[in-house]
Amino acid sequence: AQSVTQPDIHITVSEGASLELRCNYSYGATPYLFWYVQSPGQGLQLLLKYFSGDTLVQGIKGFEAEFKRSQSSFNLRKPSVHWSDAAEYFCAVAQGGANNLFFGTGTRLTVIP
Amino acid sequence: KAGVTQTPRYLIKTRGQQVTLSCSPISGHRSVSWYQQTPGQGLQFLFEYFSETQRNKGNFPGRFSGRQFSNSRSEMNVSTLELGDSALYLCASSLGTGVGQETQYFGPGTRLLVL
Repeated sequence: AQSVTQPDIHITVSEGASLELRCNYSYGATPYLFWYVQSPGQGLQLLLKYFSGDTLVQGIKGFEAEFKRSQSSFNLRKPSVHWSDAAEYFCAVAQGGANNLFFGTGTRLTVIP
Repeated sequence: KAGVTQTPRYLIKTRGQQVTLSCSPISGHRSVSWYQQTPGQGLQFLFEYFSETQRNKGNFPGRFSGRQFSNSRSEMNVSTLELGDSALYLCASSLGTGVGQETQYFGPGTRLLVL
């Protein structure tokens, strides 16, 4: 069965600092991987996705993620965090061709000036 | 292109009542999925509809049901509401079910409070 682990419940970074949010997945075949961001009281916005090919994927808002099959990881990175990045971030996995996403528990990001 | 819309945005019901939530997908999207988000359980998949047929179902009781219309709009219904049904209900749409068409775009959600 698919599962996603986001080991960091809450991360605090200073504005301008780099960011890495961790995501580990459990899935037998090649997974489809996603990162979503959710601001308070809002729905989920897609940041980026990985289906196949280049293991380093670029997303919106300056985010990128790297798929590492050997580590079953899909970590999200940003070189310089902005105050507007404060939100909750969710990693998700899906089976190819299926539309039921399995989400991690989320990482809440706080950005301090 | 307009995004996924959900109505109503907020809802207050009492235990035992039933509720119907509505979702309009992005134009051209034929798949609609529903998720429940609670502080305790996180984001959980409820069900998915494609071409008016339920294609996948999560692990929820039969009180949770849904349907999809020919224009791809979808509704979900929860009968005999319980306090634990208080949650943010999110709808997501995608182009279809083929490989590469699975990217889901989410609506703003309907926040349901059961008293």
